[in-house]
Amino acid sequence: QQPVQSPQAVILREGEDAVINCSSSKALYSVHWYRQKHGEAPVFLMILLKGGEQKGHEKISASFNEKKQQSSLYLTASQLSYSGTYFCGTESGKAAGNKLTFGGGTRVLVKP
Amino acid sequence: NAGVMQNPRHLVRRRGQEARLRCSPMKGHSHVYWYRQLPEEGLKFMVYLQKENIIDESGMPKERFSAEFPKEGPSILRIQQVVRGDSAAYFCASSLGTSGTYYEQYFGPGTRLTVT
Repeated sequence: QQPVQSPQAVILREGEDAVINCSSSKALYSVHWYRQKHGEAPVFLMILLKGGEQKGHEKISASFNEKKQQSSLYLTASQLSYSGTYFCGTESGKAAGNKLTFGGGTRVLVKP
Repeated sequence: NAGVMQNPRHLVRRRGQEARLRCSPMKGHSHVYWYRQLPEEGLKFMVYLQKENIIDESGMPKERFSAEFPKEGPSILRIQQVVRGDSAAYFCASSLGTSGTYYEQYFGPGTRLTVT
């Protein structure tokens, strides 16, 4: 069963913030975040391992709450280049080495 | 440092023909994954391979689809007797490993398959 992402879409003005959530019904070992622009390949943003860690990539950061089986991606002071569809990929299980299951995506549009 | 390479980028096949999609992983990567993406949808896992071995094919349809990653050469996803429902973008990704940061998957540009 694929993780559920919310919201499905968000429209921002340049400089605004947004949060994208990814929830799973299964125990998670890791969460991966990707951004895909229309007609292009998904681009890796970051990976979070269980342990409740947070990570950052430019002004994009993420958290992972393994107890709640969810991860959140934070877009801070959004830039036009942040537009695209964001996907979370979850790895279930108690150890590494399992396939990634991707959510349905969150479309982000940043306007000037 | 070349990234993941896929060819062809676009492939048109008539119903009943065979489609062969190729993927060369990033240099040093021995783990290859194939995904299918329908328009406006997410990525669906198909198969995970290492050199000469299929590790997980739980997402692969039982019939008409096969994948290989030979000792030499690219990984190949083969679709026999294509049907219109096979029309999609097929992405290949590769990683150094499957543990921690080694599990970062890097995607190729994809092959857009159109079945007429």
